[in-house]
Amino acid sequence: GNSVTQMEGPVTLSEEAFLTINCTYTATGYPSLFWYVQYPGEGLQLLLKATKADDKGSNKGFEATYRKETTSFHLEKGSVQVSDSAVYFCALSTNAGGTSYGKLTFGQGTILTVHP
Amino acid sequence: DAGVIQSPRHEVTEMGQEVTLRCKPISGHNSLFWYRQTMMRGLELLIYFNNNVPIDDSGMPEDRFSAKMPNASFSTLKIQPSEPRDSAVYFCASRWTSGNSETQYFGPGTRLLVL
Repeated sequence: GNSVTQMEGPVTLSEEAFLTINCTYTATGYPSLFWYVQYPGEGLQLLLKATKADDKGSNKGFEATYRKETTSFHLEKGSVQVSDSAVYFCALSTNAGGTSYGKLTFGQGTILTVHP
Repeated sequence: DAGVIQSPRHEVTEMGQEVTLRCKPISGHNSLFWYRQTMMRGLELLIYFNNNVPIDDSGMPEDRFSAKMPNASFSTLKIQPSEPRDSAVYFCASRWTSGNSETQYFGPGTRLLVL
């Protein structure tokens, strides 16, 4: 079956530090990959996505590249801000067609705290 | 667009009581998902509807849980009777199923505490 593994957290950084959150996956077929972010007290928001190998998703300074050879989708940001403090979820979805209906499989989430 | 709307945002109830959570998906979306989030188990998919029809309810924990979608703009998740272990944040998400569109849009969640 499908599974997503994220690096253990929590992650604590100083403002302007470099961020990497590791994500690896196991999937049948050719999944699409996502990063969702959850701010305190809110629901999940899509941060970025990539739908095929070597695609790079980017948004708000965050980037992640779909690496099929290493089955990874690591999240990076060159300079984090206090406002980036949140929980980050890596997820995959198999093709929207057929019986899989694009079901999202989530990792366990990584808590990021950024200090001034 | 108002996004996915959930109510109530917070619910505190006593064990044995019936709890009903409500969701209004984004207008035009034809798929709806109910999730449960806990510290121990993370995010779990409970049930998925497509065009108001339940397609996959394999994540529904037990018969105490039921979900309905009487029309394209409304869904409920009911727990009867509720138990303390049902305490969690319940999210509703919706999506337009078309081509390669797989992005799900989440509501703010309902925080349920069963005493």
